[in-house]
Order: sequence, then C-alpha cells, then structure tokens
Amino acid sequence: ETGVTQTPRHLVMGMTNKKSLKCEQHLGHNAMYWYKQSAKKPLELMFVYNFKEQTENNSVPSRFSPECPNSSHLFLHLHTLQPEDSALYLCASSQVLAGSNYGYTFGSGTRLTVV
Amino acid sequence: DAKTTQPTSMDCAEGRAANLPCNHSTISGNEYVYWYRQIHSQGPQYIIHGLKNNETNEMASLIITEDRKSSTLILPHATLRDTAVYYCIVRVSSGYKLSFGAGTTVTVRA
Repeated sequence: ETGVTQTPRHLVMGMTNKKSLKCEQHLGHNAMYWYKQSAKKPLELMFVYNFKEQTENNSVPSRFSPECPNSSHLFLHLHTLQPEDSALYLCASSQVLAGSNYGYTFGSGTRLTVV
Repeated sequence: DAKTTQPTSMDCAEGRAANLPCNHSTISGNEYVYWYRQIHSQGPQYIIHGLKNNETNEMASLIITEDRKSSTLILPHATLRDTAVYYCIVRVSSGYKLSFGAGTTVTVRA
C-alpha cells in the first residue's frame, strides 16, 4: 500500500458516459495532483491542488473536471471523452511545508479506455 | 526547472551494479537532483535525491559530480524487480511541478 489509493484500477467507458476517478491519500499531505500518461509518452501534469485550492491547470480540456473536497480526497470527473483520452491516470500527493515541497507519493493509477 | 538528458535504454545483469547516468548541465545552485522509477503500469516511485553531496539509502546511491552538471544513480545489486523506467528530474525544493521526461528503460537480465 503506497499511501495513495486510486479507484477504480481499470475503467472502460463510452464517449457519452460520465464517470469519476477517485484518489485518497492517507499520508497527511496537503497537495494533490493528477497526471496523465498516454502510451509511450512521458507523464503529463494535469492539475495541482494545494490546501484544496486549484493552483495549476495545464491547459486541460473541460471534459476533465477535477474536484478536491478536502486535503485527503481528489476526484477527476470525466464526460464526453474521446478515444485519445485513453491513458493511465495517476494521482499523487506531497507535503508543502515552509516553502519546500517534498515526499511526492503516487498511486497505482486508473487505466482508462474510452470506446 | 533544468532539463536533463538520459540514455534511452540500458541492460544490466542480475546481481551486478547498475550505473544510470544523467546530464543536467544547466542546473541552478538551488536545484536538487531527484530520481524516480516506474515499474510497468504502476505509479512512479521515489528513489533518492540530493543537492551537492553523494547520497545513499536502502535502495540506491546517488553520485553528483563536483560541478553538479551530471549525476549517476547506482543500484548496487540489480534484481529482476529493478526492471523499470528510471527518471532523473532536476527541480527546486519549492514549487509544485515534478516534470518527467522520457527516462531510461532499464532491463535487468538473468
């Protein structure tokens, strides 16, 4: 158990569906992140939340909608996705303290397939 | 954050030391060198990081050159479970971005 739990591990959805990915961290961290990893590509940072406030959105299409209700939980709401959105979606958390950001811990990811 | 350059891939024999190089010639004085690895279809795992001095933990050793323009991650006794993509990342200790490049695909062979 890495301390960051993602559910579901696998998800197949149609282009007209609405689904949500869930991430929970048990580490007491105060920052959380969504990354996307497409086949044979580097990880891409999508969203950053610090103390529940979104601090970064890396030009992600609006069909991806993040939600961070508290510092332990992070969601990624999905709607009207395209087949090219099929990828491994990874959640991470870290501790931001006195200007330093450390302890990045990743979950095992959700493998998303859009059909 | 400074850019890093790593070999695309490398093989090593089980039980032998694996030495993974990383060039970061534009590194700034306040930037750290971090190493992560990603085993197939899992999330990246932190290995080690350092600023100037060499570092060692239970997983690996990090050797940073005196001019800090390059570093080497050493896996002292590689096992088949060390087969993974290894990422060398340079960043300041503050900020929120942990940016990943293509990394080095390391294959440990029996």
